[in-house]
Amino acid sequence: DGGITQSPKYLFRKEGQNVTLSCEQNLNHDAMYWYRQDPGQGLRLIYYSQIVNDFQKGDIAEGYSVSREKKESFPLTVTSAQKNPTAFYLCASSIVSGQGAYEQFFGPGTRLTVL
Amino acid sequence: EDKVVQSPLSLVVHEGDTVTLNCSYEVTNFRSLLWYKQEKKAPTFLFMLTSSGIEKKSGRLSSILDKKELFSILNITATQTGDSAVYLCAVSNYQLIWGAGTKLIIKP
Repeated sequence: DGGITQSPKYLFRKEGQNVTLSCEQNLNHDAMYWYRQDPGQGLRLIYYSQIVNDFQKGDIAEGYSVSREKKESFPLTVTSAQKNPTAFYLCASSIVSGQGAYEQFFGPGTRLTVL
Repeated sequence: EDKVVQSPLSLVVHEGDTVTLNCSYEVTNFRSLLWYKQEKKAPTFLFMLTSSGIEKKSGRLSSILDKKELFSILNITATQTGDSAVYLCAVSNYQLIWGAGTKLIIKP
């Protein structure tokens, strides 16, 4: 089965702790993305990567970090510098097209709660 | 600043009704407009529109794009309770710029 997996499904964090959210895809997509979704809001881009060992900041990168050591994997670390990390985190992947028009496929999400 | 605005933000209708969801945009270097349905978790892809005036259809759902007036509509006919979801619109200009979504509730 091709798809995107995220783990864990639910994550609880104490203030001051760093946590890492996992995202793996077996769709052979070059591009991967991390979004944050807050209640009643659309998706906001945190980081994206179009190729291994390269990634770019999105609109709300502060307090987050990523790595892209393998094509299949794009983990997101929520650091203690992120002041309001409680949210639903979605990982997505897509092909890279010179036309800029592409469909993104999403994982099931991780709900992070800071205690 | 690029933006995508969806309306209404929420909508409650009865089963069997027809609904129209709106998405307007101001995005430089427009490439395409995408519609997604989000129930509890991951958004699932519905349509991608690149050309004006060409309707895309899938069962009871259909969508059309107007690149002159910078908007798209998503129609759902003969609604069912399973259509209850948040419908997201996104515009691509190499990245996806997302609207806030329309929360649709279908009452039996």
